[in-house]
Amino acid sequence: EAGVTQSPTHLIKTRGQQATLRCSPISGHTSVYWYQQALGLGLQFLLWYDEGEERNRGNFPPRFSGRQFPNYSSELNVNALELEDSALYLCASRYGTGLYNEQFFGPGTRLTVL
Amino acid sequence: KQEVTQIPAALSVPEGENLVLNCSFTDSAIYNLQWFRQDPGKGLTSLLLIQSSQREQTSGRLNASLDKSSGRSTLYIAASQPGDSATYLCAVRVGGADGLTFGKGTHLIIQP
Repeated sequence: EAGVTQSPTHLIKTRGQQATLRCSPISGHTSVYWYQQALGLGLQFLLWYDEGEERNRGNFPPRFSGRQFPNYSSELNVNALELEDSALYLCASRYGTGLYNEQFFGPGTRLTVL
Repeated sequence: KQEVTQIPAALSVPEGENLVLNCSFTDSAIYNLQWFRQDPGKGLTSLLLIQSSQREQTSGRLNASLDKSSGRSTLYIAASQPGDSATYLCAVRVGGADGLTFGKGTHLIIQP
């Protein structure tokens, strides 16, 4: 069974541009989470999508947004890129909304903002 | 607000030693706790998941314990090997609508 996949592996943008990151969850998983891992800050929760809806977001500005498609894949958009947006962005998927269900992580997209 | 702390931040030991990584969290009302491994520049590999009603989980040379009331978990690695070198992250699930809250990790180096 295929795991969580993310594309692209690496992305280089300049300040002010927009970045789009993609995530495909494990087959059968309906929940997708996005996390940011910036140097020195650790992993931080960004967004949670389930059944096509945004369910919750972490402490990030509105220029971080996304969506979930009918096939449960997800897209993270970062507008007006800033240098501090440079980070590894990780996507995770989970089966259903059960409180005890495990999250499975993808390999990440490394975003570099110049 | 939940905070997760991992001690030590870094650890370097010779091959073959048994070692313990520590994780503490401030809010004991968790649903579960996960230990992950992260290799440099890579995603996360889930090692062990402990539900709030459980005390420990084991997988091969790894054993994780959970003491919810004191807000602590430990990851025990037996007979360490150079391939165990990685960053180990601890994360807790608190609310139904929240993502995981992570510690900053323990960077582990096993010397051959």
